[in-house]
Amino acid sequence: DQQVKQNSPSLSVQEGRISILNCDYTNSMFDYFLWYKKYPAEGPTFLISISSIKDKNEDGRFTVFLNKSAKHLSLHIVPSQPGDSAVYFCAAIPMNRDDKIIFGKGTRLHILP
Amino acid sequence: DAMVIQNPRYQVTQFGKPVTLSCSQTLNHNVMYWYQQKSSQAPKLLFHYYDKDFNNEADTPDNFQSRRPNTSFCFLDIRSPGLGDAAMYLCATSRKAWTSGRLDEQFFGPGTRLTVL
Repeated sequence: DQQVKQNSPSLSVQEGRISILNCDYTNSMFDYFLWYKKYPAEGPTFLISISSIKDKNEDGRFTVFLNKSAKHLSLHIVPSQPGDSAVYFCAAIPMNRDDKIIFGKGTRLHILP
Repeated sequence: DAMVIQNPRYQVTQFGKPVTLSCSQTLNHNVMYWYQQKSSQAPKLLFHYYDKDFNNEADTPDNFQSRRPNTSFCFLDIRSPGLGDAAMYLCATSRKAWTSGRLDEQFFGPGTRLTVL
């Protein structure tokens, strides 16, 4: 049973345009969400997070939006750059704080020249 | 720079030959994790330590064991690797606040890619 879903395995976006990566979750106990970026042959690196008490968090070119009623979050990258080509994982932490972070399967983002 | 280090980056072993993967951290985080990741899949949590408390996932095979001799180091032992155990193994750390129980984001090591011949 997948609690964090990233339904798009891959996404291609023109350089300079906006990249939007989507994530849906099923567990209403999640109250903290994270995005990780992973390059080939490297471990995931933390990108940006959002608490459930917010609906938006921005850090430079990266913005995460949270829609709690829809159990949906999205990561916006604008403008997209070649170095953004990577796999992006959505992750969530439940309120019960059982030390686990639940990951989605990831979306591979290709930035086209 | 504080970091999570995994050695080796690439490990080749033979079917059934025990192998140990190592992880060290300079972040002084109290939680350490081991994940298995196969291509196009989410990282799969195998187990984690909260300080010295070991937490095994229900579906982690007995073939996988872990040791955490101190705060900085954590080891993954695969007692009898099978072909299906070939994967990327990721170590991660996090800080869990004592009072609130709040868990911070995880910091990952670069991973060890295991090949089983």
